[in-house]
Amino acid sequence: GAVVSQHPSWVICKSGTSVKIECRSLDFQATTMFWYRQFPKQSLMLMATSNEGSKATYEQGVEKDKFLINHASLTLSTLTVTSAHPEDSSFYICSAQDAPEEETQYFGPGTRLLVL
Amino acid sequence: GNSVTQMEGPVTLSEEAFLTINCTYTATGYPSLFWYVQYPGEGLQLLLKATKADDKGSNKGFEATYRKETTSFHLEKGSVQVSDSAVYFCALSGGAQKLVFGQGTRLTINP
Repeated sequence: GAVVSQHPSWVICKSGTSVKIECRSLDFQATTMFWYRQFPKQSLMLMATSNEGSKATYEQGVEKDKFLINHASLTLSTLTVTSAHPEDSSFYICSAQDAPEEETQYFGPGTRLLVL
Repeated sequence: GNSVTQMEGPVTLSEEAFLTINCTYTATGYPSLFWYVQYPGEGLQLLLKATKADDKGSNKGFEATYRKETTSFHLEKGSVQVSDSAVYFCALSGGAQKLVFGQGTRLTINP
């Protein structure tokens, strides 16, 4: 149980285009989803917290107009990198919780983005 | 604020060696503590967790004990295998269910 998927697993795009990444909880309903960014050989940096049906809460320094997050249902959250640039190239990972009081997060396999 | 500090890697061991990866934390209140593992090219997987002082989390031969007096949650395994090669992250659950991660420790096990 507690499986989280991400799609696509990797994507290459041209500078200036937008890229959408999907995060799905496959066997549970996720009240809260999180989006992280991971640079090579570094730890995870929390970008935003997403609750179903409400606006995402962004961490300090993360541009909300650059990284659009939508959590339209209890099993799906999307991250759209708008007008991507090479510095946006990174490994993006989502996670989900199955209950508000549950502290454990279940992570997706990640999406590697390369912007040329 | 909350923070997690792990021993710096990389750590390289031979198969069947004893493993310890140190983790200490700073937190207000009584956080839950976690170890996550990341295999090459993959996302994080929960390895084990402990929710209160003196709890021991264990899974796949790995163990960690929540030590409030030393604010530590060291990861141990008695006999490592090549398949344990990965990056290990210590984390604590801070406010608003947010996880605070350590910097990660890369472990390589040689046959």
